[in-house]
Amino acid sequence: ILNVEQSPQSLHVQEGDSTNFTCSFPSSNFYALHWYRWETAKSPEALFVMTLNGDEKKKGRISATLNTKEGYSYLYIKGSQPEDSATYLCALRGGSNYKLTFGKGTLLTVNP
Amino acid sequence: ETGVTQTPRHLVMGMTNKKSLKCEQHLGHNAMYWYKQSAKKPLELMFVYNFKEQTENNSVPSRFSPECPNSSHLFLHLHTLQPEDSALYLCASSPSQAGTNGELFFGEGSRLTVL
Repeated sequence: ILNVEQSPQSLHVQEGDSTNFTCSFPSSNFYALHWYRWETAKSPEALFVMTLNGDEKKKGRISATLNTKEGYSYLYIKGSQPEDSATYLCALRGGSNYKLTFGKGTLLTVNP
Repeated sequence: ETGVTQTPRHLVMGMTNKKSLKCEQHLGHNAMYWYKQSAKKPLELMFVYNFKEQTENNSVPSRFSPECPNSSHLFLHLHTLQPEDSALYLCASSPSQAGTNGELFFGEGSRLTVL
């Protein structure tokens, strides 16, 4: 069983603040790292799929980095807005059967 | 709108009832998944179907019975459930089970309450 850890569990920031959170995972048998954004009462939506060590991806104010050798990925949000409030999930595709294993998520609340 | 539709959105059932959850995707994908989201737990994979064949059963109790009649439809048949089965059940699809990207497209989930 792969262990995917996300920290912090929850985070409250003010509008305009920049923030980041972490996803840690076992570095062996790595295949891909996914980030999803899950707003309340909606469906989880893919943000990034990252496969290469050192990869950095960006979508608007959100970016992510990947370090497969040490087993972590960071998600950054620049200038947080209330509409960024959501749970951010990371998921590791790895192991012997390439199953996607999710972390518990980081719940971000952006106060206006 | 992700192209994955789940019905019903909410379901309340007794332990002796038989009910089904339905998932439909309009994305032309070949892989479909059932996940379970319980409180304070990560998303747990239940079943995977790839080209209508079940390729993964993650030690799910037999009171949950999946069915995939074609690549666009996925059902989860529920029978004699327990209160601890109350959870959000999410359906997802992807172009195929494996693959370089393999990002999942999720439905909004079916919230199940077992009394």
